[in-house]
Amino acid sequence: NAGVMQNPRHLVRRRGQEARLRCSPMKGHSHVYWYRQLPEEGLKFMVYLQKENIIDESGMPKERFSAEFPKEGPSILRIQQVVRGDSAAYFCASSPGQGTGELFFGEGSRLTVL
Amino acid sequence: AQRVTQPEKLLSVFKGAPVELKCNYSYSGSPELFWYVQYSRQRLQLLLRHISRESIKGFTADLNKGETSFHLKKPFAQEEDSAMYYCALESNAGNMLTFGGGTRLMVKP
Repeated sequence: NAGVMQNPRHLVRRRGQEARLRCSPMKGHSHVYWYRQLPEEGLKFMVYLQKENIIDESGMPKERFSAEFPKEGPSILRIQQVVRGDSAAYFCASSPGQGTGELFFGEGSRLTVL
Repeated sequence: AQRVTQPEKLLSVFKGAPVELKCNYSYSGSPELFWYVQYSRQRLQLLLRHISRESIKGFTADLNKGETSFHLKKPFAQEEDSAMYYCALESNAGNMLTFGGGTRLMVKP
């Protein structure tokens, strides 16, 4: 089991461009979580998804950010019209079910906005 | 709203010394608490959960509801314990974990 796979590991964008971050959960896991880590800060919850459903997006900015987890393929976190403040490490985690408490994390995608 | 606070960003101790990483939480319900660890160049991973009452790699953590704390302790630190440690709280809804800001533990030889 390869674990949670995130790509790209590093992404550089200019202000106003779009960023797409992908996450493939562990085999057999149907729950995906996205977290953001700003420089010198802890992990902040963004969104929790199951296949084809957004369960909780309370941590996601209302504008420019969106997430999906389609029936087939990886989960995608999309940031439109990026700004410098979006520069951060974005971590994806997966779990086999709700309320297990154990999340399996990917290595993260580091977004740099110039 | 739930919140997890780790007051120390950095904790530096000598090998063999006791170590305590502090974690305080605020949550109106009955919390489930966890410690996650990230070793250098590795992924964030679960270290232990309060409900298991287990000792992992010599670490223990006791949930103190009166003080709303879940401090992580080890009587004798080892160099390989050097890592980032995150305290996390899971709500009753079980939807997601709220993490503290993390504490970097450095164990000096």
